Amino acid sequence: NAGVMQNPRHLVRRRGQEARLRCSPVKGHSHVYWYRQLPEEGLKFMVYLQKENIIDESGMPKERFSAEFPKEGPSILRIQQVVRGDSAAYFCASSPRQVAGETQYFGPGTRLLVL
Amino acid sequence: EDKVVQSPLSLVVHEGDTVTLNCSYEVTNFRSLLWYKQEKKAPTFLFMLTSSGIEKKSGRLSSILDKKELFSILNITATQTGDSAVYLCAVWSILPKNSNSGYALNFGKGTSLLVTP
Repeated sequence: NAGVMQNPRHLVRRRGQEARLRCSPVKGHSHVYWYRQLPEEGLKFMVYLQKENIIDESGMPKERFSAEFPKEGPSILRIQQVVRGDSAAYFCASSPRQVAGETQYFGPGTRLLVL
Repeated sequence: EDKVVQSPLSLVVHEGDTVTLNCSYEVTNFRSLLWYKQEKKAPTFLFMLTSSGIEKKSGRLSSILDKKELFSILNITATQTGDSAVYLCAVWSILPKNSNSGYALNFGKGTSLLVTP
């Protein structure tokens, strides 16, 4: 997996709580993508970030979800006031360039369970 | 709307069998198609295909792309129980139309392969 790190690997939250998911891309990669995988579904694009910039968030719900990739530190996907429908696996991927045709390297994912 | 369709959705075979997994796509401005293997963790990269008719091989796995008919196949010969996984096909898709945001991977739902001893 070329070193993409995600934590936590598993996260349990009660409805209404906040979930913070972290992603450290491969060293030297400045492009980060977040994908969500619902049960029995394929991975769906959520947001694409470069350092300090959200490039495209067209796949992310407009409410309660936000993402950032600060100059220093990991990328964060934040879900406020979680609901049961947010239960899913959230994967982060990184690449060195934003060139369609580049391989994306995936992290192990964070499995969020909302009770 | 861009889409990626994989078939079959699930497959059960015996060790030693050969399997063929299918992926068809409709995307604007095709760039490349990728295959991943997903066990209970991160999708791991298998192949990236950009040109028609050129087979990519890695051990018992091989894949080929047909850009005219808009599909790709992934072959696994002499299957082993360790091949049991979900195989994902993805195509680079342009992010929202009229946007300069670039591309993201558009995934199919995957084919769940179970290889029994």
